[in-house]
Amino acid sequence: QQQVKQSPQSLIVQKGGISIINCAYENTAFDYFPWYQQFPGKGPALLIAIRPDVSEKKEGRFTISFNKSAKQFSLHIMDSQPGDSATYFCAAIHAGNMLTFGGGTRLMVKP
Amino acid sequence: DTEVTQTPKHLVMGMTNKKSLKCEQHMGHRAMYWYKQKAKKPPELMFVYSYEKLSINESVPSRFSPECPNSSLLNLHLHALQPEDSALYLCASSQELAVAGILSTQYFGPGTRLTVL
Repeated sequence: QQQVKQSPQSLIVQKGGISIINCAYENTAFDYFPWYQQFPGKGPALLIAIRPDVSEKKEGRFTISFNKSAKQFSLHIMDSQPGDSATYFCAAIHAGNMLTFGGGTRLMVKP
Repeated sequence: DTEVTQTPKHLVMGMTNKKSLKCEQHMGHRAMYWYKQKAKKPPELMFVYSYEKLSINESVPSRFSPECPNSSLLNLHLHALQPEDSALYLCASSQELAVAGILSTQYFGPGTRLTVL
């Protein structure tokens, strides 16, 4: 059973545009929500993370929006750049359990 | 420093070979993980060590054998692998296991690209 659903599977954005990736979860016990960025042939790198008691967190061009009542969260990449082209995984975790990954989104930013 | 290192970067082996993957972290983390990742898929958990003891084995075939010699090192011994075992093998670490999520946040290494012929 996939506990974290991620959409879209792939995304093409023009340089300078906003990339938006959405995730929805089922388990209300999740208490931390990291996002990972993975370039081809490399390991996932922790990008940004949020707790469910915070509605938004911003780090540079990356923003997480969190809607606890809807059990949804999203990653916004402002002013998207070709160097942002990668696969993005949302994830969820709670005490005593493992990371639950979403299915991933392949982002391509066209010059 | 949030670095997890893995060696080798690439490994090609035959089905009768014995090889080992190595992982190292110097962040003082007490939980370490092995994942397997196939193309276009999220990482799949294989093993978890907590305080150098095997905590979780996700029903991984015995041809994969993990070892945690000390709190900084994690090995994965490979023997009699199959071509379908070809994948990117990722090591990760976190401060703790089984505590509040923020402390369980995992940091991944660059991976070892394994090809089984």
